[in-house]
Amino acid sequence: EPEVTQTPSHQVTQMGQEVILRCVPISNHLYFYWYRQILGQKVEFLVSFYNNEISEKSEIFDDQFSVERPDGSNFTLKIRSTKLEDSAMYFCASNVRGGAGTQYFGPGTRLTVL
Amino acid sequence: AQKVTQAQTEISVVEKEDVTLDCVYETRDTTYYLFWYKQPPSGELVFLIRRNSFDEQNEISGRYSWNFQKSTSSFNFTITASQVVDSAVYFCALSEDDSLTGKLIFGQGTTLQVKP
Repeated sequence: EPEVTQTPSHQVTQMGQEVILRCVPISNHLYFYWYRQILGQKVEFLVSFYNNEISEKSEIFDDQFSVERPDGSNFTLKIRSTKLEDSAMYFCASNVRGGAGTQYFGPGTRLTVL
Repeated sequence: AQKVTQAQTEISVVEKEDVTLDCVYETRDTTYYLFWYKQPPSGELVFLIRRNSFDEQNEISGRYSWNFQKSTSSFNFTITASQVVDSAVYFCALSEDDSLTGKLIFGQGTTLQVKP
């Protein structure tokens, strides 16, 4: 069964460093998403991506964040200068169609900023 | 404004008990979609069900059942004869048709602990 994959599973970085989180969405899906879950809290929407551009983003998704689909399979989230408060689980999700579809999530990347 | 409320932070039951997880939502859209996801201790988010706003039929899948009531803006989830493997955090989520991208708005989650 097709699934969303994410790498790495755990990333530890120093404050101020850049990190790139990688995702491979399900192959026939057209909508891609990043969500964040701070430990013990709810899952929060960061950004959605469709047709090679950002279609929607939340207030959390400031200038420190960027997304890219560098090739036909990968979908990346970059945090330019990490802060302590960026420590969280980051989930990638994909959807074959937008509002009416079901999002399937990857296993997540746990980001720890020291 | 869209919002999902899961008032129960934690629930603890003994195996084989039935348990209901509550979910109340707010939306101005007439077309929307409701979801339940399970987050086991391993951390991944597992899709359980999707319901659209025009389909108020209750659904049963094995030991799981869902009760959708538009009149009270609720989409509750019942596990019958709970098992230890049901221990997880359960999230209710909302997607509005106006959001063409289908972003999900999650509730705070309910932690279910099933004791043997």
